[in-house]
Amino acid sequence: SAVISQKPSRDICQRGTSLTIQCQVDSQVTMMFWYRQQPGQSLTLIATANQGSEATYESGFVIDKFPISRPNLTFSTLTVSNMSPEDSSIYLCSVVVRGDLDEQYFGPGTRLTVT
Amino acid sequence: GENVEQHPSTLSVQEGDSAVIKCTYSDSASNYFPWYKQELGKRPQLIIDIRSNVGEKKDQRIAVTLNKTAKHFSLHITETQPEDSAVYFCAAHNAGNMLTFGGGTRLMVKP
Repeated sequence: SAVISQKPSRDICQRGTSLTIQCQVDSQVTMMFWYRQQPGQSLTLIATANQGSEATYESGFVIDKFPISRPNLTFSTLTVSNMSPEDSSIYLCSVVVRGDLDEQYFGPGTRLTVT
Repeated sequence: GENVEQHPSTLSVQEGDSAVIKCTYSDSASNYFPWYKQELGKRPQLIIDIRSNVGEKKDQRIAVTLNKTAKHFSLHITETQPEDSAVYFCAAHNAGNMLTFGGGTRLMVKP
């Protein structure tokens, strides 16, 4: 497995502003993902963070709203842009660790509330 | 794309009883099926998984079964304990390394 940290752990933001969430892993990973988990709901994949290139977004998610960076094998950021109350959710990064086949491990999540 | 259905959405059992959660998937190319446990306010934790070349896997009180023909897989928890209370998610993994999650099952184990 891996030690995955996210910053911030929670935040309360005003509508129209943006928040950048950081994900740091203590070992090299082959894949990094960003998920959203709305209150009481399941996990929805936002995008795959690709090292050194544009992220691959799932249907319903666009780069202008959720820009993602992944400058190296162990770090990624997700920005939630021009926020509205509907963006209130938990955002989680997830990784597949090199050598761990397909196992995905989740970060602790960032709880975002938009007022 | 893949679609994963999970049942039941809530499950209440008496301590010591068994609990079974079932999932079906749609993409016959899916080849890896993990289960996650999420306690309140915590991250999802991988508790067990099964690959498409195996029909059953056990780890102490937890077992998973897979029926590739019928495209369904199940989580079995025996001798349930109050600390088993959580939301459980199944998922299916396809060749694109994507996980599609089921809707979750809230398991309540009553002492």
